[in-house]
Amino acid sequence: EPEVTQTPSHQVTQMGQEVILRCVPISNHLYFYWYRQILGQKVEFLVSFYNNEISEKSEIFDDQFSVERPDGSNFTLKIRSTKLEDSAMYFCASTGAGVSTDTQYFGPGTRLTVL
Amino acid sequence: GNSVTQMEGPVTLSEEAFLTINCTYTATGYPSLFWYVQYPGEGLQLLLKATKADDKGSNKGFEATYRKETTSFHLEKGSVQVSDSAVYFCALRLVWDEKLTFGTGTRLTIIP
Repeated sequence: EPEVTQTPSHQVTQMGQEVILRCVPISNHLYFYWYRQILGQKVEFLVSFYNNEISEKSEIFDDQFSVERPDGSNFTLKIRSTKLEDSAMYFCASTGAGVSTDTQYFGPGTRLTVL
Repeated sequence: GNSVTQMEGPVTLSEEAFLTINCTYTATGYPSLFWYVQYPGEGLQLLLKATKADDKGSNKGFEATYRKETTSFHLEKGSVQVSDSAVYFCALRLVWDEKLTFGTGTRLTIIP
């Protein structure tokens, strides 16, 4: 069964450093998402991406964050200058269509630790 | 705004016990409702969903019914197994919205 993959599974970085989290969505999907989960808290929406542009973003997704689909398969989340509070599990998701009934398929997550 | 409220955890049950995890929602419109499960060390997997009032989603012995009158989508299973130990997330998505809105998650532990 097709699945969403994410690399790395765990990333440790120093505060102020840039990180890039990578995702390979399911191959025929068109809509892509990033969510994050701070330890012990809710899963929170960050951003959605369709047709090579951001379609929706949350308040969390400020100028320090960016997303890109550099080729036909990868979808990346970049954090320009990491803060301690960026430490979280980051989940990528994809879906075939934009309708609300369509299932979003999640990857296994990247645990980001900012020291 | 839109929100999902889930039963506080953790929940610990014996094998073969009956499970209910409560979920209620607040939404400006008619959402689709979802239960996702996160097994240890893994990502979120869709467990079941319901897209309109009175729909029942079911999978792997789990069921949840979309109750518009009580704005609820409680998860139930008649006889739980040790392998059901996981974190369960209730979520909603509005018709016009891109994102899923999640509850806080309920950690379930089943004891043999």
